[in-house]
Amino acid sequence: DQQVKQNSPSLSVQEGRISILNCDYTNSMFDYFLWYKKYPAEGPTFLISISSIKDKNEDGRFTVFLNKSAKHLSLHIVPSQPGDSAVYFCAASDSDSWGKLQFGAGTQVVVTP
Amino acid sequence: KAGVTQTPRYLIKTRGQQVTLSCSPISGHRSVSWYQQTPGQGLQFLFEYFSETQRNKGNFPGRFSGRQFSNSRSEMNVSTLELGDSALYLCASSTSRSGPNNEQFFGPGTRLTVL
Repeated sequence: DQQVKQNSPSLSVQEGRISILNCDYTNSMFDYFLWYKKYPAEGPTFLISISSIKDKNEDGRFTVFLNKSAKHLSLHIVPSQPGDSAVYFCAASDSDSWGKLQFGAGTQVVVTP
Repeated sequence: KAGVTQTPRYLIKTRGQQVTLSCSPISGHRSVSWYQQTPGQGLQFLFEYFSETQRNKGNFPGRFSGRQFSNSRSEMNVSTLELGDSALYLCASSTSRSGPNNEQFFGPGTRLTVL
């Protein structure tokens, strides 16, 4: 039962342009959402998070938007850089079991020169 | 501050054997979670420990177990290994404060290969 879904397995974007990654969830109990970036043979690296009481959170080049009514969140990366090429995971948790993250399948981002 | 460390980084075992993986959390972090990453199933939650108690458990068979020590270090054990247990096992730690800003920070993982 996949409660967090990333329907785009891959995304190719030109350097300097915006990368938009999407994530949908089905569990209305989720109240905390995170984005992680992962390189091969390494553990995921935390990027940015958002609480369900907000609809936007920004940190440098990264902005996460949350639409609770649609159960949808997105990550915007502006401008995209070659070092952003990695797999991006969306994750969610609820306050009753916030030590348990449920992950999407990931989106492979390739930033081309 | 040192990050999450996991040992060993690579492990090769044969079917039927058992294995123990170790995780040292970031200093001050009291919650440790374990995840399995495979190409087919993605990142799946195994269990979470806090103050030496298992607080959350994922949908894995009883062959997968873990524990946490008083210094917050954690171990996970897999008994009677099967070929399908070949995966990257990731450990993550957090401060365990409830609510936002309680991000989990991941270690580099242990790559387990079962032959």
